[in-house]
Amino acid sequence: KAGVTQTPRYLIKTRGQQVTLSCSPISGHRSVSWYQQTPGQGLQFLFEYFSETQRNKGNFPGRFSGRQFSNSRSEMNVSTLELGDSALYLCASMAGPGNTEAFFGQGTRLTVV
Amino acid sequence: ELKVEQNPLFLSMQEGKNYTIYCNYSTTSDRLYWYRQDPGKSLESLFVLLSNGAVKQEGRLMASLDTKARLSTLHITAAVHDLSATYFCAVDPLVRKYIFGTGTRLKVLA
Repeated sequence: KAGVTQTPRYLIKTRGQQVTLSCSPISGHRSVSWYQQTPGQGLQFLFEYFSETQRNKGNFPGRFSGRQFSNSRSEMNVSTLELGDSALYLCASMAGPGNTEAFFGQGTRLTVV
Repeated sequence: ELKVEQNPLFLSMQEGKNYTIYCNYSTTSDRLYWYRQDPGKSLESLFVLLSNGAVKQEGRLMASLDTKARLSTLHITAAVHDLSATYFCAVDPLVRKYIFGTGTRLKVLA
């Protein structure tokens, strides 16, 4: 059974640019969550999608957005990148209602220069 | 504000010794998770604790949950070098929105 797949693994972007990250959950899982990990702030929840609907949202500015497709794959977009957006972005896959154990992908390491 | 605090933040221990990592949280939650992270890697699920009094063991690690005290512990028995990693606890009070602890960086010395 394939795990959670995130692409790309590494990205280098310039301030002001935008970026899109992709996450394919475990087959059959319908919930996808995104987390940002930085040395200073630790692991912080961005948002969660279930059946193409955003169900939960963390305390991040509107520059951070996401969506989920009918096949449960999810994308996260960050516009107008800032240096502080440099982080490891982790995607988590959950089966759905009643099963809240999260399985994490390898992450996308974003560096903003 | 929901807070999840772990202590210690850093732990250096000798192989063969026992130690406990503590995870305190500030809100009601019946679900608590422990993860391991190796440098530059993702989070690996260790334990899922879903009720008060839950205790789970895997190898040299044992986790427990006391929802009344809002406390979980991760006990390490006879540590070995391979256990060196950062350990995170996370609570899930709002369902599918994990609040992670600060992490405990464990280094096991030979």
